[in-house]
Amino acid sequence: DQQVKQNSPSLSVQEGRISILNCDYTNSMFDYFLWYKKYPAEGPTFLISISSIKDKNEDGRFTVFLNKSAKHLSLHIVPSQPGDSAVYFCAASGSGSARQLTFGSGTQLTVLP
Amino acid sequence: DAGVIQSPRHEVTEMGQEVTLRCKPISGHDYLFWYRQTMMRGLELLIYFNNNVPIDDSGMPEDRFSAKMPNASFSTLKIQPSEPRDSAVYFCASSFLQNIQYFGAGTRLSVL
Repeated sequence: DQQVKQNSPSLSVQEGRISILNCDYTNSMFDYFLWYKKYPAEGPTFLISISSIKDKNEDGRFTVFLNKSAKHLSLHIVPSQPGDSAVYFCAASGSGSARQLTFGSGTQLTVLP
Repeated sequence: DAGVIQSPRHEVTEMGQEVTLRCKPISGHDYLFWYRQTMMRGLELLIYFNNNVPIDDSGMPEDRFSAKMPNASFSTLKIQPSEPRDSAVYFCASSFLQNIQYFGAGTRLSVL
């Protein structure tokens, strides 16, 4: 039972354009969401997060949007750069879960120069 | 801070051997997590500790797997005996605030 789903295994975008990565969740108890970026042979690196009391959070080129009614979140990267090429994981946790994260399967983003 | 440190980075062993993976969390962090990443199952949580005490080990696949945290700066994940299906990348992560977990670089385990 996948509680966090990333339905696109891969995404290719031209440099300078917007990258949009999507994530869906099924557990209504999740109230905190994170995006991690992972390069080959490295561990996942925290990118940006959002609490369920918000619907948007920005950090530089990265913006996360949360639609609670649709149980959907997305990560926007504008403008995309070749260095953004990596696997992006969506993760979620619930208030009663003592910081336990449930991860999606990841989306490989390739930014073409 | 140097971040979460895992050792070894790569481990190749033969089926039936004991394997010990090590992790040093970020100083001051009170939670430590062990994950396994495989192509089939993605990133799955194996066990996590709070203040050196195991809280939830429901993700540990079998009794062959065990984890300890003898102090705030060190944890081990042991597989005894190892099997080829244990081949994966094992990550350790630690956290303190806001559910943000910081990951080590991982240990790539190959069991032949």
